[in-house]
Amino acid sequence: DIQMTQSPSTLSASVGDRVTITCRASQGISIWLAWYQQTPGKAPKSLIYEATSLQSGVPSRFSGSGSGTDFTLTISSLQPEDFATYYCQQYKSYPQTFGQGTRLEIE
Amino acid sequence: EVQLVESGGGLVNPGRSLRLSCTASGFTFAYYQMSWFRQAPGKGLEWVGFIRSNAYGGTTEYAASVQGRFSISRDDSKTIVYLQMNSLNTGDTAVYYCSRDANGPGCDWGQGTLVTVSS
Repeated sequence: DIQMTQSPSTLSASVGDRVTITCRASQGISIWLAWYQQTPGKAPKSLIYEATSLQSGVPSRFSGSGSGTDFTLTISSLQPEDFATYYCQQYKSYPQTFGQGTRLEIE
Repeated sequence: EVQLVESGGGLVNPGRSLRLSCTASGFTFAYYQMSWFRQAPGKGLEWVGFIRSNAYGGTTEYAASVQGRFSISRDDSKTIVYLQMNSLNTGDTAVYYCSRDANGPGCDWGQGTLVTVSS
C-alpha cells in the first residue's frame, strides 16, 4: 500500500496568514492526489484533484502543487471559515489511501 | 445540484449484517463511478471501495479490511448505490459516506450515516 504522510499534524495560524500543508507519498503517484477539507461534524469537501486542479466553487486562495512523491496545499490568505482539518488522498493505486490529516487551528 | 443521501445506519450486534443505501439526484447517475468511505469516531478518513459505471463493466474494488465481507452494488434505474456489510465487527464502527467520483474521487459527498457495531 502507498503510505501518505502529512505535515504538520497541527498548524496554528491567524486570519490573513499564508499557510502550507505538505503531503508525501511513499512511492511515486504522478499527479493522482486530492485534497479535502473537513469541519467537525460535517462531510469532507473536495478542494483539489489531480494535484493542482481546483474543484468548481472552491475559492482561488486555495492552490495545490507537486507531482511524484511531494505535494503541497497552500492557502494564500486564511479566512475564518478555513480553520478545519485537511486530508490528502492518493488515487494512483488501490487501496486509495489518505494522509492522517492536518488540523488548522486559530492561533 | 448534486445530492447524495445515505441511509440505513444504526446499532448492530457483532457478526450481523447491515445494508446502507445512498440515493443520488441532480446528475446522470449511470455515468459515474460511486465510492464509499468511512471515518471511525475521532479518526481520519478511510477508503472502503467503489463501483464503476456499467459503461466500465460495473466492477468493484475494495479495501483489504473489508474485502470478502462488504459488497457494493448499484441500481441505475433507482439512482441508488448500496453497501452490503456482512460479518460486522467493532472495528467497522464509523460514519459511512458515499461519494460521486467526477473530477477525481470524492468529488461530492453525502452527509454520512453512522454505523455502530456493539453488543
